Amino acid sequence: GIQVEQSPPDLILQEGANSTLRCNFSDSVNNLQWFHQNPWGQLINLFYIPSGTKQNGRLSATTVATERYSLLYISSSQTTDSGVYFCAPPGGSEKLVFGKGTKLTVNP
Amino acid sequence: DTEVTQTPKHLVMGMTNKKSLKCEQHMGHRAMYWYKQKAKKPPELMFVYSYEKLSINESVPSRFSPECPNSSLLNLHLHALQPEDSALYLCASRIGPNFSYEQYFGPGTRLTVT
Repeated sequence: GIQVEQSPPDLILQEGANSTLRCNFSDSVNNLQWFHQNPWGQLINLFYIPSGTKQNGRLSATTVATERYSLLYISSSQTTDSGVYFCAPPGGSEKLVFGKGTKLTVNP
Repeated sequence: DTEVTQTPKHLVMGMTNKKSLKCEQHMGHRAMYWYKQKAKKPPELMFVYSYEKLSINESVPSRFSPECPNSSLLNLHLHALQPEDSALYLCASRIGPNFSYEQYFGPGTRLTVT
């Protein structure tokens, strides 16, 4: 099945800094989801991105399916951005395959 | 409204208890999922229901029994659990097979087995 690797595993930032999170996957995919899991456990949909670039406020995501990676950009980070970020491409007709996540800590 | 609700938020149960987790969505989605998430790990798929029929069981022990009584509701019945079953249980939904893969997650039930 498809393998998913996320980097870095941990990231510590000062408020206001920018960051880039990476997701590599072993097979070509038609789409991919990015999630933010907040400290209370809620998995929040950030992007559903078949290919190309999408933007939502301070966040944007780019997927280059032919090169098997996706990037999540966070600009002007805030303490509320802290949590774990997961990418998840489909692993079959009904499943998502989650990476191990990037734990982001934004300090005031 | 892209909301999936789960009850209860927290549950503490003994190893001899029987309890149920409930998940509800009113988005007209026809695929619903149960995931288990241990601390510092990604969610692991347990079950998938498509059009109210069980389509995937990821070799989950029989002490976990899913049920999909209608297209909006998904239950997970728990019986004779072990302490290692303590985890965050997440429900998700999706439009349905052959449609968008995008899944929407509920807030989870944090289960502690004593």
